[in-house]
Amino acid sequence: KAGVTQTPRYLIKTRGQQVTLSCSPISGHRSVSWYQQTPGQGLQFLFEYFSETQRNKGNFPGRFSGRQFSNSRSEMNVSTLELGDSALYLCASSLVQGSKETQYFGPGTRLLVL
Amino acid sequence: EDKVVQSPLSLVVHEGDTVTLNCSYEVTNFRSLLWYKQEKKAPTFLFMLTSSGIEKKSGRLSSILDKKELFSILNITATQTGDSAVYLCAVEHQVSGYALNFGKGTSLLVTP
Repeated sequence: KAGVTQTPRYLIKTRGQQVTLSCSPISGHRSVSWYQQTPGQGLQFLFEYFSETQRNKGNFPGRFSGRQFSNSRSEMNVSTLELGDSALYLCASSLVQGSKETQYFGPGTRLLVL
Repeated sequence: EDKVVQSPLSLVVHEGDTVTLNCSYEVTNFRSLLWYKQEKKAPTFLFMLTSSGIEKKSGRLSSILDKKELFSILNITATQTGDSAVYLCAVEHQVSGYALNFGKGTSLLVTP
């Protein structure tokens, strides 16, 4: 069974641009969560999607948004990029909403904002 | 303010040593506490704890939660070089839906 895949793996953008990251969950998993990891703040929860609806949300500004498609694939968008948005963005999928024991992480997308 | 604090921030031990990693928290509407191991990129799930005083074990790793004192420990016995990683503690709590707050992690290095 294939794991969680994230594309692209690496990305370089400049301030003010926007970016879209993609996450394909494990087959059969319907919940997708997004996290941001930086050296200063550590790992922070962004949001969780289940059945195409955002179910939970962390404490991030509105520039961070996401969506989930009917096939459970999810995208995360960051608009008006700031230098502080440089981070590793991790996606995780689980079989059911809110399940952390069955949550598997993808390899991440490393975003660098110049 | 909700927070999760891990200690120590980093640790260097010799193979065969036993280590104890700490995680204290202050959150409203606690639901569960989770431990993860992060080696290269993606964290891998270790334990989920919801009840006080019940030890969870997996091989040489074990963990326990104290909901009265608001902390958890992760023990690793007979450490091996493969245990070298960052260990993350996260607390799941209810805000609008369920949110996860992570600690900064403990970086463990096991030397031969």
